[in-house]
Formats: sequence, structure tokens, C-alpha cells
Amino acid sequence: EDQVTQSPEALRLQEGESSSLNCSYTVSGLRGLFWYRQDPGKGPEFLFTLYSAGEEKEKERLKATLTKKESFLHITAPKPEDSATYLCAVQVGVTGGFKTIFGAGTRLFVKA
Amino acid sequence: ETGVTQSPTHLIKTRGQQVTLRCSSQSGHNTVSWYQQALGQGPQFIFQYYREEENGRGNFPPRFSGLQFPNYSSELNVNALELDDSALYLCASSLFRQGYNEQFFGPGTRLTVL
Repeated sequence: EDQVTQSPEALRLQEGESSSLNCSYTVSGLRGLFWYRQDPGKGPEFLFTLYSAGEEKEKERLKATLTKKESFLHITAPKPEDSATYLCAVQVGVTGGFKTIFGAGTRLFVKA
Repeated sequence: ETGVTQSPTHLIKTRGQQVTLRCSSQSGHNTVSWYQQALGQGPQFIFQYYREEENGRGNFPPRFSGLQFPNYSSELNVNALELDDSALYLCASSLFRQGYNEQFFGPGTRLTVL
């Protein structure tokens, strides 16, 4: 069964304290892995697409990496405005289309 | 470029009623997917439409149905509402391709079933 697991469930950091979020997955026929940021009561905001093992993407204080079984979202010197839920999703093909499976998310709290 | 929009923002219904939620795709996109997100959980895939036909479905009962229109906008219909249907309903649009499909989400509709 296709599965996505994110850890930790919640992470509390001091401003400037770098850390990593983990996304491990078990799927057949990975088409792509995505990272989203979600603020309370809002829709997910697209961050990155990773397609093949070894790939890395960067945006401001965020860097996403991909291996054959997991992905990491590294946050360097976070600021309070980085506080949000970070969602990982994997995409697989189905007959005639695709489906996207989300993890439960990591809730990040950054204290000033 | 216009982003994904959804209406209404909030909705309150009672058990047994029917509801219709609407979504307008981002300009240039031809595929729409619907998700249900319960509090504290990740979005759960309901179904997807491409060229006005459903081409993927998650583990949701038939009382969840949808439509896609020629302008790529979409509706999600839920019949015989249950208390557990209370959730944030998200619509995401993408441009269909054979590789990965980057999806962009709307702000969601918060449905409360009493």
C-alpha cells in the first residue's frame, strides 16, 4: 500500500536554530515528490518538486533533498514567519491519470 | 495569471443534506483534483478530473461526486451529509503531463455538518 510518513509530528525551534524535517515513503512507481507549506485555515502553498534520487532544490532558508526512500526539508536559521505546517506528498500514476498521497505534516513553531 | 479560487469560503449544513462546492482552475490548467482535509491531518485525495472525465479516485463513497466543465472549472457534490464530512475541502489544479504534475491549491471551503 502506498504510504507517506512525516516526522517529527511537531518541532519547536528557537530563531536561528537550524533543523530538518523527514518524509519517508513507500510507493510503487514514484512520479514526483512535493513539499508544501500550509498556514492555519488556508490551502497548501507549493514549495518544491523533486523527481529523482540525489536531486536538491533551494528557496530562501529551505532546501529539499530526495533519496530513493525519503526526502528531507532542511531549514537554515529559521525565523518566526517560517512557523507553519509542512506537508510532503508523493505522486503515483493510476490508469488514465495520477494520484497524490499526502503525509500528515510536520507542525513547525519558531520562537523569536 | 489567475490562481485557483473556491467558493463558498465557509458552509454550515445539517446531517442528511446535500452540498455543492465550486472551484475555478488556475489559468492554463486542465486538470482538477479534490481533497478532504480533517483537522490535524494531511489532505486525502477524493478524485480528479481531466477533459471533463473522472480519471482517478480515492477511497471515498459514491455519494461524493463531481463535474468538470469545458472551461476547466469544477464542482464537488456530497449527498446525504454525515457528521464526519466536516472538513476543509481543497481543490488543486494542474496542467496534465505524463511525468509529474505540479498542483496548485485554492484556499479551501470549510464545511461544518451539524
